[in-house]
Amino acid sequence: AQKVTQAQTEISVVEKEDVTLDCVYETRDTTYYLFWYKQPPSGELVFLIRRNSFDEQNEISGRYSWNFQKSTSSFNFTITASQVVDSAVYFCALKEDPGTACKLTFGTGTRLQVTL
Amino acid sequence: DGGITQSPKYLFRKEGQNVTLSCEQNLNHDAMYWYRQDPGQGLRLIYYSQIVNDFQKGDIAEGYSVSREKKESFPLTVTSAQKNPTAFYLCASSITGGAGTEAFFGQGTRLTVV
Repeated sequence: AQKVTQAQTEISVVEKEDVTLDCVYETRDTTYYLFWYKQPPSGELVFLIRRNSFDEQNEISGRYSWNFQKSTSSFNFTITASQVVDSAVYFCALKEDPGTACKLTFGTGTRLQVTL
Repeated sequence: DGGITQSPKYLFRKEGQNVTLSCEQNLNHDAMYWYRQDPGQGLRLIYYSQIVNDFQKGDIAEGYSVSREKKESFPLTVTSAQKNPTAFYLCASSITGGAGTEAFFGQGTRLTVV
């Protein structure tokens, strides 16, 4: 069965520090998708990125970057020069069965606290 | 604006009562989902539906029921059979099929059993 592990329960950093959130996954499928979502205090999950299993290119979007490594089954998320507005819970998620609905298996989340 | 609307935001229920959580979307998505979030456990799938008048159980369907009479609506009923219903409930929707789809989430309903 699929599984997503986010070993870091909570991280605290000072503004402008870089921070990396770890995500390790398990799946027997050769085709799968990985996601990161942000959950601010309001509760809604905000989609950040989707990556398919055939695309190992790293991606950068502004201060956000993602490192996908199939060899270690990891999909880590780095925030550069963190800001207070980055404070939230971040979830990594896995989707198997590419032909069906977007059923996601979530990790337990990492709470990021950015302070001044 | 397109999106997913969940209501109410907060809900209190007496033990032994059924309660229905509302979820409406205007994104024209075929698929809709209900997740439950507990502290320290991430989100777990309760039910999902890929088409009107059809739905499937997720990982923790016991004590819950759903209906999908309209494409836009996917209400969740928490029945008295649910042993520990106090949680944060999130509704989501997505397109179906093929590669490259993501789920969009509502703002959630926090249910407390008193």
